[in-house]
Amino acid sequence: NAGVTQTPKFQVLKTGQSMTLQCAQDMNHNSMYWYRQDPGMGLRLIYYSASEGTTDKGEVPNGYNVSRLNKREFSLRLESAAPSQTSVYFCASSGGAATSYGYTFGSGTRLTVV
Amino acid sequence: AQSVTQLDSQVPVFEEAPVELRCNYSSSVSVYLFWYVQYPNQGLQLLLKYLSGSTLVESINGFEAEFNKSQTSFHLRKPSVHISDTAEYFCAVSDWNTGNQFYFGTGTSLTVIP
Repeated sequence: NAGVTQTPKFQVLKTGQSMTLQCAQDMNHNSMYWYRQDPGMGLRLIYYSASEGTTDKGEVPNGYNVSRLNKREFSLRLESAAPSQTSVYFCASSGGAATSYGYTFGSGTRLTVV
Repeated sequence: AQSVTQLDSQVPVFEEAPVELRCNYSSSVSVYLFWYVQYPNQGLQLLLKYLSGSTLVESINGFEAEFNKSQTSFHLRKPSVHISDTAEYFCAVSDWNTGNQFYFGTGTSLTVIP
């Protein structure tokens, strides 16, 4: 099925470890996003990529890096994981103007940092 | 930046009863308004959206939302809920200033009681 695919679905890290969350979409969308979801705080934007080759910081970028590898793929990297980064991470994409069409979300990555 | 307030974090309601989930946003400039639904262990799915035109918008599964510019609100309603409506509901706002960025509320957990 067409959509946004995130891997892995679950991950446990030790403090200080690094990892990369992968995201791929097959809808030929230009824009891609990374959000984190925390209880009582809704979704907060970490980074986004309006088009291939560009990335910009969102509301909570500290501790993260991103790579827009090509039009399909947008990865999120934690260089040195901290317990405060325990969260559910969602990747999303939009075609054309997101304000007109909304986002298509992946199913999420549940990350626990111990 | 926009801010979005969902006044009720949890709403329990009996099956076949009506429900209203409240959403208020901060800015009165031209906005685009969305409701997303998240079923357990899944990503967010677009429920309905307001871009322009009629202030009352409907979804295919019986939900409706009304844009009220003077009260900067976009409340979600359903006249008769079903067990399958149990989910987390997020209100989201975007405007011309934020471009493709969305601002999400903290979510309302709707529990339908048999």
